[in-house]
Amino acid sequence: GAGVSQSPRYKVAKRGQDVALRCDPISGHVSLFWYQQALGQGPEFLTYFQNEAQLDKSGLPSDRFFAERPEGSVSTLKIQRTQQEDSAVYLCASSLAVGQGQPQHFGDGTRLSIL
Amino acid sequence: AQSVTQLGSHVSVSEGALVLLRCNYSSSVPPYLFWYVQYPNQGLQLLLKYTSAATLVKGINGFEAEFKKSETSFHLTKPSAHMSDAAEYFCAVSGGGGYNKLIFGAGTRLAVHP
Repeated sequence: GAGVSQSPRYKVAKRGQDVALRCDPISGHVSLFWYQQALGQGPEFLTYFQNEAQLDKSGLPSDRFFAERPEGSVSTLKIQRTQQEDSAVYLCASSLAVGQGQPQHFGDGTRLSIL
Repeated sequence: AQSVTQLGSHVSVSEGALVLLRCNYSSSVPPYLFWYVQYPNQGLQLLLKYTSAATLVKGINGFEAEFKKSETSFHLTKPSAHMSDAAEYFCAVSGGGGYNKLIFGAGTRLAVHP
């Protein structure tokens, strides 16, 4: 497909389990972003990749959150020892180039529920 | 630091009526501003963006927004609402750093009734 693809769409995990969320950006897009969207809120920035380099991880809530993009394409967001407050929709977005005016293309998100 | 405030978490209009969704921003540098729409269980779709060119920006689906520096506002309007416009709308400002990290408002849910 031509858009940003995220998998799984829904994930249910028990508190304390590790989870991995995948993002397939649009082919050739240099920039990749992860956002966390709590229920009834706007998305909040988590981390940014330019190709394979993670240039900004200032939004990651704790050291339980880890993201990678090893080949500059697919990215994975991993959450270790999940807590109930991690329940949210995790959105991935990509843009073709670097720059503040660049439009971001969003995936449909992964809805994570921690029991 | 950049921030966005969306006034009104819920807005309800009649079909055919004017849509006005309010957004005020705070930015220490000339801002890049965006409006996104989110339909249920979907990601965000870009409606329009302001990048320091024309102050009146036209977007998709008949929406437009006007950048007013003196009021630090970027309100979204549409002359005539359609039922299909019912969704969540987010205003966002670029957070700087050269790579367009977005800072979103809390969103406004638009309801359109017959």
